Amino acid sequence: GESVGLHLPTLSVQEGDNSIINCAYSNSASDYFIWYKQESGKGPQFIIDIRSNMDKRQGQRVTVLLNKTVKHLSLQIAATQPGDSAVYFCAEIIDGRDDKIIFGKGTRLHILP
Amino acid sequence: DSGVTQTPKHLITATGQRVTLRCSPRSGDLSVYWYQQSLDQGLQFLIQYYNGEERAKGNILERFSAQQFPDLHSELNLSSLELGDSALYFCASSVGLADPTDTQYFGPGTRLTVL
Repeated sequence: GESVGLHLPTLSVQEGDNSIINCAYSNSASDYFIWYKQESGKGPQFIIDIRSNMDKRQGQRVTVLLNKTVKHLSLQIAATQPGDSAVYFCAEIIDGRDDKIIFGKGTRLHILP
Repeated sequence: DSGVTQTPKHLITATGQRVTLRCSPRSGDLSVYWYQQSLDQGLQFLIQYYNGEERAKGNILERFSAQQFPDLHSELNLSSLELGDSALYFCASSVGLADPTDTQYFGPGTRLTVL
């Protein structure tokens, strides 16, 4: 498959442990945030989103936390599994406009057996 | 499988040439988005079409153009190619709500290599 972002920061986590991936976003006017997962050779896949009027949202095994004060977003993955190996990146949308979407560079999650 | 298809999967061409990338959205989706993903720039939004009309424009070069056809498939045309255009090009589709929470589904991408 294709390698995306060969020089991305890597987070190595033991299988079964929780993973926390962080993202600093750039614009205080951003009002909507998305986390994507991109496996090797595939396109990005939506994981979870959060609006700026929330500070936490939970999905299945994933939780997103938003701290607007410091413009920080995190993705927590519970009980990390081998299938979670991928590049994860955040996206921010400014003023609700599709053309004002900015993607982070991503973090590679590596699962240790 | 997201339901979005892109062809070709790989494309190798020379500088100065022109190529066309094709995208078929998920059944029922009216909106198509094009993105460029390079190693140093990450994922960047290029352009969006909704039901045949251009809806939003991002960092798309003048050498690039796109269109969406009546059957809702879309093509991205890249001309006067330069080495720096080498990248993964993704298409995504969504229902087309005028709402940023309208989930986008990404295709597998086309890897363009310009030699």
